[in-house]
Amino acid sequence: QQQVKQSPQSLIVQKGGISIINCAYENTAFDYFPWYQQFPGKGPALLIAIRPDVSEKKEGRFTISFNKSAKQFSLHIMDSQPGDSATYFCAASMNTGFQKLVFGTGTRLLVSP
Amino acid sequence: EAGVTQFPSHSVIEKGQTVTLRCDPISGHDNLYWYRRVMGKEIKFLLHFVKESKQDESGMPNNRFLAERTGGTYSTLKVQPAELEDSGVYFCASSPLLAAREQYFGPGTRLTVT
Repeated sequence: QQQVKQSPQSLIVQKGGISIINCAYENTAFDYFPWYQQFPGKGPALLIAIRPDVSEKKEGRFTISFNKSAKQFSLHIMDSQPGDSATYFCAASMNTGFQKLVFGTGTRLLVSP
Repeated sequence: EAGVTQFPSHSVIEKGQTVTLRCDPISGHDNLYWYRRVMGKEIKFLLHFVKESKQDESGMPNNRFLAERTGGTYSTLKVQPAELEDSGVYFCASSPLLAAREQYFGPGTRLTVT
């Protein structure tokens, strides 16, 4: 079963708009939630990450909102730009020895000029 | 600082053949992970090395997959014999020993089995 569910599968946003991607998880042992950005032909690159002791983390135009009780977290991209067009993956990991990442299925974001 | 590199970038093989993928992690990174993304699905964990030791092989699909990391530097992932369902993009990631979660990914190897 999929441990991290991501939506939507694809998203089209106009330049200057807000892009919102949502993820939900089941395993309460997860305690680290990163977002990765992937451009065509490149590997996923760490964009921003949050731990469950905070409800929001902001880095530039990118913000993660975290709702521990609902077991949900989301990525908000403010003032979206065409250069933000990429595939975004949410992920989660546990603070046990191995710390492997469990990924969502990805969201293809297209920001139209 | 050089990033994670993977070779080849693409590989097309026939069912039943053997393929070996290579990953060179960032220098000094003791953690090395292999992941795979089958088209349209999530990126799935395959296995994890710390230095030359396999720490977690729980994601390996079956015994047709063999991973090695000789000397704790580069790693290889061999698929023998390849099946159609092995097609996908294979990613390698590395991270420092004490910051395992900060994983840096390579560009991936796209494997197509026909």
